Amino acid sequence: EIVLTQSPATLSLSPGERATLSCWASQSVSSYLAWYQQKPGQAPRLLIYDASNRATGIPARFSGSGSGTDFTLTISSLEPEDFAVYYCQQRSNWPWTFGQGTKVEIK
Amino acid sequence: EVQLVESGGGLVQPGRSLRLSCTASGFTFGDYAMSWVRQAPGKGLEWVGFIRTKRFAETTEYAASVKGRFTISRDDSKSIAYLQMSSLKTEDTAVYYCTRDDAGTFDYWGQGTLVTVSS
Repeated sequence: EIVLTQSPATLSLSPGERATLSCWASQSVSSYLAWYQQKPGQAPRLLIYDASNRATGIPARFSGSGSGTDFTLTISSLEPEDFAVYYCQQRSNWPWTFGQGTKVEIK
Repeated sequence: EVQLVESGGGLVQPGRSLRLSCTASGFTFGDYAMSWVRQAPGKGLEWVGFIRTKRFAETTEYAASVKGRFTISRDDSKSIAYLQMSSLKTEDTAVYYCTRDDAGTFDYWGQGTLVTVSS
């Protein structure tokens, strides 16, 4: 099973700041990595698929990069609605696995 | 507009069974695989299982934690996916999400249904 490790566990930032979230895979997942956003009491929402492709309707301030084992989700300038938990997920090998999540909170 | 609506959750005793349903609309249901993902209270996301389309014989895959106890099926005529859960354990307590599975990317999610396993 591929283990995804996200860092940091919690990121404390102010609106307007840049957020950089990391996800490391225990073995190569090529570019088969997605990012999801989850707000309290809501279902997760797909943000980025295949490492760097924004899903439909996702603002341009969200971007993804990386391949192999190291991946990054960047939010260029945090809006109030971006404070949430973010998960990475791989679809390279069964079983599909998620990282443990990074909480982006208001500083 | 793609919509996924789960139903069937509730309180169930350990060892008993429960069946969840996921009713889909807004897309050609038979063209897509469907996955179930769960989230225990205050915890992260865990993929539960997946069913392929009729084109791929509606074959299934499951997480090790549920294999042999959970069964996923689908009825394309009704646009419904099912998650049959048996021999339930307290650690199966979670919100269960139905997702449209686009080759392993979960592009649409339902609102979730809570399953509580407790005596």
